[in-house]
Amino acid sequence: GDSVTQMEGPVTLSEEAFLTINCTYTATGYPSLFWYVQYPGEGLQLLLKATKADDKGSNKGFEATYRKETTSFHLEKGSVQVSDSAVYFCALRTGLIQGAQKLVFGQGTRLTINP
Amino acid sequence: DVKVTQSSRYLVKRTGEKVFLECVQDMDHENMFWYRQDPGLGLRLIYFSYDVKMKEKGDIPEGYSVSREKKERFSLILESASTNQTSMYLCASTRQFTNEKLFFGSGTQLSVL
Repeated sequence: GDSVTQMEGPVTLSEEAFLTINCTYTATGYPSLFWYVQYPGEGLQLLLKATKADDKGSNKGFEATYRKETTSFHLEKGSVQVSDSAVYFCALRTGLIQGAQKLVFGQGTRLTINP
Repeated sequence: DVKVTQSSRYLVKRTGEKVFLECVQDMDHENMFWYRQDPGLGLRLIYFSYDVKMKEKGDIPEGYSVSREKKERFSLILESASTNQTSMYLCASTRQFTNEKLFFGSGTQLSVL
């Protein structure tokens, strides 16, 4: 079945460091790919998405490129801030069931940024 | 702004109790979802609903049931709570037949003792 694998956490970086969180997927067909972020005490919110191969999603300085050849969607940011401390989830959607999006999530990567 | 509200932030129950988790959304969304979030396992889909009184099993429905009597409200029911159901439960909603993002509630941390 469809699955998403993220790099093991937790990840701890200093402010202004470069961030990469790896995400690879297994899916039939052509999935849409997402990064969701969960700040402390809150629900998940969409960070960025890409719907086809070679698309780049970007938001708040974060970027991820849909690489079909390597089945990957790695999250990057050039200079992280303390406020980026959160749990990051990679997810895929392969289609609709009864009109509802069924997402498959990775295990999440906890990121802590120290000042 | 869309709001998805879960009735309790923290809940402590005893083994064997019947537990109700409530979720309400205010954006007239057709689709609503229940996930559980566990460390190292990410989010796993328990059930979802695509219309009033309509439901579909997710990946881990065993031990759970759901109810959707009104469009804005989706309830998760643990018929007889067990300790392995201790978890963070997240509700989400979105519009039907779209690629719109899911809107999540802030979660209910359930402890079953």
